[in-house]
Amino acid sequence: EAGVAQSPRYKIIEKRQSVAFWCNPISGHATLYWYQQILGQGPKLLIQFQNNGVVDDSQLPKDRFSAERLKGVDSTLKIQPAKLEDSAVYLCASSPQVFGQAFFGQGTRLTVV
Amino acid sequence: EDQVTQSPEALRLQEGESSSLNCSYTVSGLRGLFWYRQDPGKGPEFLFTLYSAGEEKEKERLKATLTKKESFLHITAPKPEDSATYLCAGALTDSWGKLQFGAGTQVVVTP
Repeated sequence: EAGVAQSPRYKIIEKRQSVAFWCNPISGHATLYWYQQILGQGPKLLIQFQNNGVVDDSQLPKDRFSAERLKGVDSTLKIQPAKLEDSAVYLCASSPQVFGQAFFGQGTRLTVV
Repeated sequence: EDQVTQSPEALRLQEGESSSLNCSYTVSGLRGLFWYRQDPGKGPEFLFTLYSAGEEKEKERLKATLTKKESFLHITAPKPEDSATYLCAGALTDSWGKLQFGAGTQVVVTP
């Protein structure tokens, strides 16, 4: 079974630039999550999709972050404009059901300079 | 405020030296307690889910237990390949399966 695919693996941008991350979840998984993991901390949920609808975006900085899930499959997370404090690993995860085991991708390491 | 706290922050063990990691939680309603392993440069890898106090689960040298306020991950006779950061997370009842993660315990096992 193919795992959760994320790209790119690494990205370096200057502050105030924009960036986008892509995620392809495991086939058939209805639930998709985007987490932000700052160095030395545990992952923090940014947004959760159930199929192609948002069910939790309470911790998403909506003035600069946006996300969409196309046709209930792939998802993109965008930051515009980026700030220094956005430097982190962005993890995508999917689950076959709510409250089920989440499968994580390898993440995208973003460095904002 | 819902919170998950892990201790210690870091643990250095000799190969074969058993130890335990702690995960304490203060949440209004816990639907499940998850343990993940994270290797450098990789995403978290699922280990266990515990749903009720008294429940125990085992996998190779790892055993997870759950009480009403905390969970323990016991590592028995660890090997260098057990070196990783171990994360615990609570899934809250009044959420859609959102995981509230602790900061993790970094475990280093030396030969």
